[in-house]
Amino acid sequence: AQRVTQPEKLLSVFKGAPVELKCNYSYSGSPELFWYVQYSRQRLQLLLRHISRESIKGFTADLNKGETSFHLKKPFAQEEDSAMYYCALSSGGTSYGKLTFGQGTILTVHP
Amino acid sequence: GAVVSQHPSRVICKSGTSVKIECRSLDFQATTMFWYRQFPKQSLMLMATSNEGSKATYEQGVEKDKFLINHASLTLSTLTVTSAHPEDSSFYICSAILLGTQYFGPGTRLTVL
Repeated sequence: AQRVTQPEKLLSVFKGAPVELKCNYSYSGSPELFWYVQYSRQRLQLLLRHISRESIKGFTADLNKGETSFHLKKPFAQEEDSAMYYCALSSGGTSYGKLTFGQGTILTVHP
Repeated sequence: GAVVSQHPSRVICKSGTSVKIECRSLDFQATTMFWYRQFPKQSLMLMATSNEGSKATYEQGVEKDKFLINHASLTLSTLTVTSAHPEDSSFYICSAILLGTQYFGPGTRLTVL
C-alpha cells in the first residue's frame, strides 16, 4: 500500500527565511509525486510535480528515491506563501490520477 | 484555466435522507472524475473514481451502495449520499483531469443532523 507522510503539521518561519516542507513516501513502484497548495478560502491547486522539474513561485522539490522523499523548498519565504501544503502520490498505470495525500502542513510566514 | 465547480457548496439534511452533490467541469470534458472526502483537520481521502458511461470504481472500505456515483455526461458527475447519517458529515471534494493536471472543485460541506 502506498503512503505519504508529512511529519510537520505546523511550520512557522519569518519572511525572507528559507523554508522546507518535508514529505516522505512509501511505494514499491515508480510513483509520481506532487505538491498541492490551498490558500485561505480557496480550492486545492497544483503547485508542482516532480516530473516537471520546474520552479513555481520560487518553490522547488526534488524526488530522492533513495530516501523516498520529496521535500518542498524555497530559499526566501514570502508572507503570501502562508497556506496549507499537501504532498501527494500517484501510482500511475491503471491508477492514473488517483492521489494519496499526506496529512498536510500549515505554513505560516510571519512579517 | 480549467475550472471545476460543485453544487451545493454546503448542505444540511436530516438523518435518513439522501443528498446529491454535483461536480461539473465548466470548460473542458472529463471522462474521469474523482471524489474525495476530508474530515476536519485531516487529509483528503480518495473515495471513488467516476468514469463517464461506465460504473464508478470505489476504494477499499467505501460503501458503493451508500455513495452512489453517476457520470452521465462528459462534464457532470454526481455523488449521492443515501440514507445519510451524522457520521457521513464531512467535506466532499471532486476533481477532474485535464492534460495530466488534476483540477479540484471548491468542495461541499455536508452536515447530517
